[in-house]
Amino acid sequence: QAVLTQPSSLSASPGASASLTCTLRSGINVGTYRIYWYQQKPGSPPQYLLRYKSDSDKQQGSGVPSRFSGSKDASANAGVLLISGLQSEDEADYYCMIWHSSAVVFGGGTKLTVL
Amino acid sequence: QVHLVQSGAEVKKPGASVKVSCQPSGYTFTDYYIHWVRQAPGQGLEWMGWINPNSGDTNYAQNFQGRVTMTRDTSISTAYMELSSLRSDDTAVYYCARYGVGAKDYFDYWGQGTLVTVSS
Repeated sequence: QAVLTQPSSLSASPGASASLTCTLRSGINVGTYRIYWYQQKPGSPPQYLLRYKSDSDKQQGSGVPSRFSGSKDASANAGVLLISGLQSEDEADYYCMIWHSSAVVFGGGTKLTVL
Repeated sequence: QVHLVQSGAEVKKPGASVKVSCQPSGYTFTDYYIHWVRQAPGQGLEWMGWINPNSGDTNYAQNFQGRVTMTRDTSISTAYMELSSLRSDDTAVYYCARYGVGAKDYFDYWGQGTLVTVSS
C-alpha cells in the first residue's frame, strides 16, 4: 500500500470549490505530519502552494492566493487541499508530499479539471 | 533571482549511465540542500534523494540505493546526479530542486528538467 494516496482525477466547475485529498497509509498518523502541496502544469516543474500541519502550523507559498488552503480530516487520516472559487488556470496536477522516515514521499497526484 | 539550470537532454542505451548537472545561481550554493526528483512520462513525481552541497553528505531513496550517486563541485557551484544500469523505465524528466531552510522548508526553486531517454 502506498504511503500517500490521492484520487487520480477530479472535475469541478468554474467558481465552485474543489477538495483534494491525500490519504496516509494505515499506521501513519496524519496528525504528526506536515502535508505539503504542489501544483504542476504541463511542461513545467512543480510549484509550491502551501503546507499544513495544524491551524497554528501552516504556511502559504509566496504569491499563492488565499483561495488555496490546507486542512486535515483526522477521521479519514487525510490531508486536504481546498481550492475555492475555481478558475480555469487552476486546471493542473496536484501533488501532496510528506517527510517520512527521513525520506520525501509524494502522492501519486490528482489531475484537476475545471470545466 | 534564483535559477537552477540543468544540462540538456540525453539518450542512453540500457545498461549505460547518465550524469545530469544542476547549476544554481542567485544564492550561495552551499547554503541549501539540492534534491533530485524524477517524473516518468505521464506519471507522478518520484523523489531520488538529496545532497548537502556544503559537506557532500547524501541521502538516497531506497528505490535508488546502489544505482544513484549525487555529487557536487563547489568550485563551479554545480550539483550532479548520476544514475547507472539504466533501464527503459528510467526514461523520465529529472529535476533538481532547492530545499529551503527554516520557515521556508519546502522545494522553493526547481530546475527546468532534463529528459533522459533510455532506448536500445
